[in-house]
Amino acid sequence: TQLLEQSPQFLSIQEGENLTVYCNSSSVFSSLQWYRQEPGEGPVLLVTVVTGGEVKKLKRLTFQFGDARKDSSLHITAAQPGDTGLYLCAGARAGGTSYGKLTFGQGTILTVHP
Amino acid sequence: DAMVIQNPRYQVTQFGKPVTLSCSQTLNHNVMYWYQQKSSQAPKLLFHYYDKDFNNEADTPDNFQSRRPNTSFCFLDIRSPGLGDAAMYLCATSRERGRGAEAFFGQGTRLTVV
Repeated sequence: TQLLEQSPQFLSIQEGENLTVYCNSSSVFSSLQWYRQEPGEGPVLLVTVVTGGEVKKLKRLTFQFGDARKDSSLHITAAQPGDTGLYLCAGARAGGTSYGKLTFGQGTILTVHP
Repeated sequence: DAMVIQNPRYQVTQFGKPVTLSCSQTLNHNVMYWYQQKSSQAPKLLFHYYDKDFNNEADTPDNFQSRRPNTSFCFLDIRSPGLGDAAMYLCATSRERGRGAEAFFGQGTRLTVV
């Protein structure tokens, strides 16, 4: 059973379009992180959200953490070809034996065509 | 400046021949992780160290071992690589486990088994 469901898995859009990637779970997370990964490279941290309802903006990227800290979304405005990559959400568990360990969603492969 | 450094970037090994991948960090973080990532999939946690405390994932094959001789270095040993072990291996660090603990990844080592 996948702890973090990320959707969509694939997204192919034209430059200038908007898009949203979702990350959902039935579990509560103490924090949630979004990463972007380019082929052949390691994931690069984009943002960490820790408070329910929190919204963070990073230029054209808007990240939101759900009120119950079970879900998150990434919205990109006016996508550019440079946004192309694998986007990963990762949650840090709130307690128990898995405390603090990151669990990754399946990832979203985004392709932005010029 | 690189903060999590993995060597080598590319490793080719023969089927069944032991191989060691290395990771070093300049962040003085307590936690070091090893992940396995196959093509366009999410990283899969193999194990992690919290200081010297080793934590193995239940589904990590016995073929995979790890050593952390000091805070800065961590090694992944694959005792008898099989074709199915060909993947990107990612090392990551975080200052702590738990709420807001951000993970920083190295560039990865691409392992090919021939």
